[in-house]
Amino acid sequence: DTAVSQTPKYLVTQMGNDKSIKCEQNLGHDTMYWYKQDSKKFLKIMFSYNNKELIINETVPNRFSPKSPDKAHLNLHINSLELGDSAVYFCASSQQLAGGGNEQFFGPGTRLTVL
Amino acid sequence: AQTVTQSQPEMSVQEAETVTLSCTYDTSESDYYLFWYKQPPSRQMILVIRQEAYKQQNATENRFSVNFQKAAKSFSLKISDSQLGDAAMYFCTLTDSWGKLQFGAGTQVVVTP
Repeated sequence: DTAVSQTPKYLVTQMGNDKSIKCEQNLGHDTMYWYKQDSKKFLKIMFSYNNKELIINETVPNRFSPKSPDKAHLNLHINSLELGDSAVYFCASSQQLAGGGNEQFFGPGTRLTVL
Repeated sequence: AQTVTQSQPEMSVQEAETVTLSCTYDTSESDYYLFWYKQPPSRQMILVIRQEAYKQQNATENRFSVNFQKAAKSFSLKISDSQLGDAAMYFCTLTDSWGKLQFGAGTQVVVTP
């Protein structure tokens, strides 16, 4: 019954490694997002995809690469992890992009710790 | 650029009492939406209430209501009859026509018995 799921929920890794976070939604939504929440709880959008097409790409290092194999999935791959990448990453989805007034449904978050 | 400002890092309220969270924003868009999301200790982001900028009537959802002052670009949240389960971080958010959410810094609500 989980609407938006993320795996893993916790990820601890060494600097320099490459890791992926997976996101799946079973709501039939067209649009998916990635957000980053830092240690002060500040949330910032990173990417959004609409029907597998990249719509929003904020100022994010090239080491972060989203991939949307289909409408229900939006994965986040991070290369050469740095200490500053430690944060909670949230995936979200909404029914459609148009108008921007649609509720976004969030996943449970993935806490990434880079040592 | 859009900005959202929450000037209260923390607010404390007793059970059954009322608390109001402040939020101001700035946007150049004529069509936008405002939301309040809550994030309890579980980390899950939950929508509390939504307001369309073109609607003059303030939105209400049970014990939650907003005071939307478009000219002043103000969007405050009132929690009435506060309950222990209301304890959470509350984020004021603004979304543009692309669905990009701009979050405020958050206000931590502490509910005391």
